[in-house]
Formats: sequence, C-alpha cells, structure tokens
Amino acid sequence: KQEVTQIPAALSVPEGENLVLNCSFTDSAIYNLQWFRQDPGKGLTSLLLIQSSQREQTSGRLNASLDKSSGRSTLYIAASQPGDSATYLCAVRAGGGNKLTFGTGTQLKVEL
Amino acid sequence: NAGVTQTPKFQVLKTGQSMTLQCAQDMNHNSMYWYRQDPGMGLRLIYYSASEGTTDKGEVPNGYNVSRLNKREFSLRLESAAPSQTSVYFCASSAPRPGGGYTFGSGTRLTVV
Repeated sequence: KQEVTQIPAALSVPEGENLVLNCSFTDSAIYNLQWFRQDPGKGLTSLLLIQSSQREQTSGRLNASLDKSSGRSTLYIAASQPGDSATYLCAVRAGGGNKLTFGTGTQLKVEL
Repeated sequence: NAGVTQTPKFQVLKTGQSMTLQCAQDMNHNSMYWYRQDPGMGLRLIYYSASEGTTDKGEVPNGYNVSRLNKREFSLRLESAAPSQTSVYFCASSAPRPGGGYTFGSGTRLTVV
C-alpha cells in the first residue's frame, strides 16, 4: 500500500526566506506526483505536476523536484511572501483505478 | 470557469437523515472521485469512477453510495447520516493516465448532529 509522508507538519518562516518542503512515498512505481495548495476552508489548487519521467517542474517562484528511485520530492519556494501561507499537500498517482494518495500536508506560515 | 463544481457548499444534517452531494465537471474527464478530509487524517478516497458506467470502492466506502449519472456528473449519497460522517467532502476528476493531473472542486462542509 502506497504511503505518503510530508515533513515538517508545520513551518513558520520570516518573509523573504527561501524554503523547502519535503514529501516521501513508499512505492516508487508512480505515474506522477502533484503538489497542491489549500487555503483554510477552501479547496485544493494544483501547483505543479511532475511526470514519473521528469526530474523537476517550475512555475514562477515554485520549483518541484522528483527522485523516483529514492521515493522523494521537494517543493522549493523562493523569496517567500505572506500570501504563500497555506497548507501544501503532495500526492502520488499510481496503481489501478488512477488513484491519488495524499500526504497529510505541511502547514506554512510566512510572517512579516 | 472550467473545472469541478460541487453543491451544496455547506450542509447540516440530523443523525439518520439522508442527502446527496452533487458533482459535475466540464473538462471531458473520464475519471471522477470522492474524497473526505478530516483533521490529522488527510484526504481519503471514498469511491471513484474510472469511466462512465463504472464505480469502485476506495479506502473508506462504508455508509456511502455513488452514482455516475453520465460522463459529467458523479454524486455521493449518505443514506443514513452518522456523526462520524462529519467532514469536508471533495469531488475531483482526472485527465487520462499516466500523465494527467487531478482537478478538485471547492468542497462541501457537512456536519451531522
């Protein structure tokens, strides 16, 4: 059974700092990995989608990497802003039924 | 805007009442899903539909039923609501595998008293 772990569970940083969020998964036979953002009381917004054949994806200040063989992904946020405060979820797509397995998230707070 | 639409956004039920959560997508995706999100437990798959006319159980299907009405719509029914079903429910759809990503609706916050 695929298990996805995110460390740390919570993170507080001052504005302007570069930061890294970590995601690990137990079964490397994945189709892709997706990073989402969730604001309090809201739905999930897709940030980046990395295919199993790719090593990284970039969107603006966000960069996600994937090392499938070691079962790890990182989300790098450059020059953090208070508006980046949210919960970040990673999820892997694998196996029959196109199912997506989620980590429990990292709650990020960027302080002024 | 294209995407996944869920209704209602909020609902309060009494124990034993029934209700149906509605979900529709306009991206022509074959696969649709229902998840629930609870504090400390993350998102867990309730049911999914890989294509029109098919449905399968996910991780936590007990107490729920689903209907894939057509390619666009996938509903979740609680026949006899219980307090343990208090949660936030998300519907999602996905582009074809292996490469397709998921798109989520904005969620339904359900409280069972």
